[in-house]
Amino acid sequence: NAGVMQNPRHLVRRRGQEARLRCSPMKGHSHVYWYRQLPEEGLKFMVYLQKENIIDESGMPKERFSAEFPKEGPSILRIQQVVRGDSAAYFCASSLGRGEADTQYFGPGTRLTVL
Amino acid sequence: GQQLNQSPQSMFIQEGEDVSMNCTSSSIFNTWLWYKQDPGEGPVLLIALYKAGELTSNGRLTAQFGITRKDSFLNISASIPSDVGIYFCAGPNYTGANSKLTFGKGITLSVRP
Repeated sequence: NAGVMQNPRHLVRRRGQEARLRCSPMKGHSHVYWYRQLPEEGLKFMVYLQKENIIDESGMPKERFSAEFPKEGPSILRIQQVVRGDSAAYFCASSLGRGEADTQYFGPGTRLTVL
Repeated sequence: GQQLNQSPQSMFIQEGEDVSMNCTSSSIFNTWLWYKQDPGEGPVLLIALYKAGELTSNGRLTAQFGITRKDSFLNISASIPSDVGIYFCAGPNYTGANSKLTFGKGITLSVRP
């Protein structure tokens, strides 16, 4: 019974390159959340998606960041032209979408380092 | 926006001791969640609280949802070395179908053998 999977676990990019982070939700889950964690900080919400739809992207930076959750395949968080400040751990969580009592299950995260 | 406050940032205890962590908010939450994060891993849900005043246990862990709905505490009894990690409180900012979570900054727990 696989949990939420994320890959790669570690990603190193040089400034100006693109970073693609993948998230496969738990089986049967159609709701995906992305969060970012800076060192010694809590997780900060970025974006919430359901299959093929972005529901809430209020936590996403306005430029360079995008997310998708296609009908088939994993959810992708894409960061274009990365800068040093993008270095962080990025977590996705999936859920069944049961309203206020919904439980989010987190993946192990992708640790992005920008050189 | 909503904020959850956790302090101190770090706690150091002896193996076998009990420890209590608090989480407060300036606004009301209808659900309180406690997560633990091990180094290099994602957060794992420990306890979920859904009603004001609710007291819930999970093994050596006990958590309570404050009556005012603006605070919660987590107790760990008889600590063991594997309790080491970062403990986060979190609450959903529920708007319609969206339950995005607000997290506190976490408390790093160290347990001395």
